[in-house]
Amino acid sequence: SQQGEEDPQALSIQEGENATMNCSYKTSINNLQWYRQNSGRGLVHLILIRSNEREKHSGRLRVTLDTSKKSSSLLITASRAADTASYFCAASGGSYIPTFGRGTSLIVHP
Amino acid sequence: EAQVTQNPRYLITVTGKKLTVTCSQNMNHEYMSWYRQDPGLGLRQIYYSMNVEVTDKGDVPEGYKVSRKEKRNFPLILESPSPNQTSLYFCASSSNRVWANEKLFFGSGTQLSVL
Repeated sequence: SQQGEEDPQALSIQEGENATMNCSYKTSINNLQWYRQNSGRGLVHLILIRSNEREKHSGRLRVTLDTSKKSSSLLITASRAADTASYFCAASGGSYIPTFGRGTSLIVHP
Repeated sequence: EAQVTQNPRYLITVTGKKLTVTCSQNMNHEYMSWYRQDPGLGLRQIYYSMNVEVTDKGDVPEGYKVSRKEKRNFPLILESPSPNQTSLYFCASSSNRVWANEKLFFGSGTQLSVL
């Protein structure tokens, strides 16, 4: 079963715009992580937010977590063509084993 | 350099011919896992291992075997591959110590085609 589910499935924006992706999960979590995947390559970790945190920043990335709504969002500010990739959330429950969603495909047009 | 090494990168085989995809990590990680990625289905976990000699089924274990005899290696075995196992496979590892840095490190992937 997939714990995390991303929305939208696909997102197309212009360079310089902000990109927002959402993730919903089903059961209570210990942490939630976001990963990036360039076409056909291995996933790369972006950011981890714990269940007792509400917001976290890393460079142009901002992640929020709302445990009451069982949802998280990833905001990429001032997007660049190089941000074109698929983005996945992975939620970890009591076992700390992360479960991935289907991903959001982001295209940033120059 | 900290890394997860998967081999081979590409593999074409025929139905029923046993194959092994190797995975090795140099970070002394306890946790290792195999995923398959198919269009529209995201990453689905096949098997995982919390430590040496400890393995468990993920969401889609049918048709696969694993072993964890050493901490650094976690091979994926397909004893009798079938066309529905054509997929992109990823190995990943992390430290599973609670409140440690649990982020997963991924290998570069193995694109498997079963004819």
